[in-house]
Amino acid sequence: EPEVTQTPSHQVTQMGQEVILRCVPISNHLYFYWYRQILGQKVEFLVSFYNNEISEKSEIFDDQFSVERPDGSNFTLKIRSTKLEDSAMYFCASRWDSPYNEQFFGPGTRLTVL
Amino acid sequence: GNSVTQMEGPVTLSEEAFLTINCTYTATGYPSLFWYVQYPGEGLQLLLKATKADDKGSNKGFEATYRKETTSFHLEKGSVQVSDSAVYFCALSDQENTGNQFYFGTGTSLTVIP
Repeated sequence: EPEVTQTPSHQVTQMGQEVILRCVPISNHLYFYWYRQILGQKVEFLVSFYNNEISEKSEIFDDQFSVERPDGSNFTLKIRSTKLEDSAMYFCASRWDSPYNEQFFGPGTRLTVL
Repeated sequence: GNSVTQMEGPVTLSEEAFLTINCTYTATGYPSLFWYVQYPGEGLQLLLKATKADDKGSNKGFEATYRKETTSFHLEKGSVQVSDSAVYFCALSDQENTGNQFYFGTGTSLTVIP
């Protein structure tokens, strides 16, 4: 069964460093998402991506964040200068075209900023 | 706006007990409703969904009915098993929203003891 994959599973970085979180969505899906979950809190939407551009983003997704789909298979989230409060589990998700369809989630990347 | 309010946990039940996890929502449009489950160390997996009022989603013995009049989508299972121990998330997707981002509840941790 096709699945969304994410790498790395755990990333530790120093405050101020750049990190890139990688995702491989399901191959025939058209919409791509990043969410994050700070420990003990809600899963929060960051950004959605369709047709090679951002379709929607939340207030969390400021200028420090960017997304890219560089090669038609990978979908990356970059944080330019990490802050302590960026420590969270980051989930990638993808879906087919219909808004009635569910999103398929990856296993997540745990980001720890020291 | 869109939001999901979910029953606080953690919930601890004995095997074969009846489970209810409450979920209510607010939405600006006509949402689709979902329950996702997260097993330890894994990502979010779709458990069931309902796309319109009075629809009942069901899977693996779990059920939830989309109640527009009470804006609810409570998750139920008649007889839980130890293997059902996980975190359960209620979510909605606003079909009128282009990006169709998901709005999640806080998650309810369920532990089933033998």
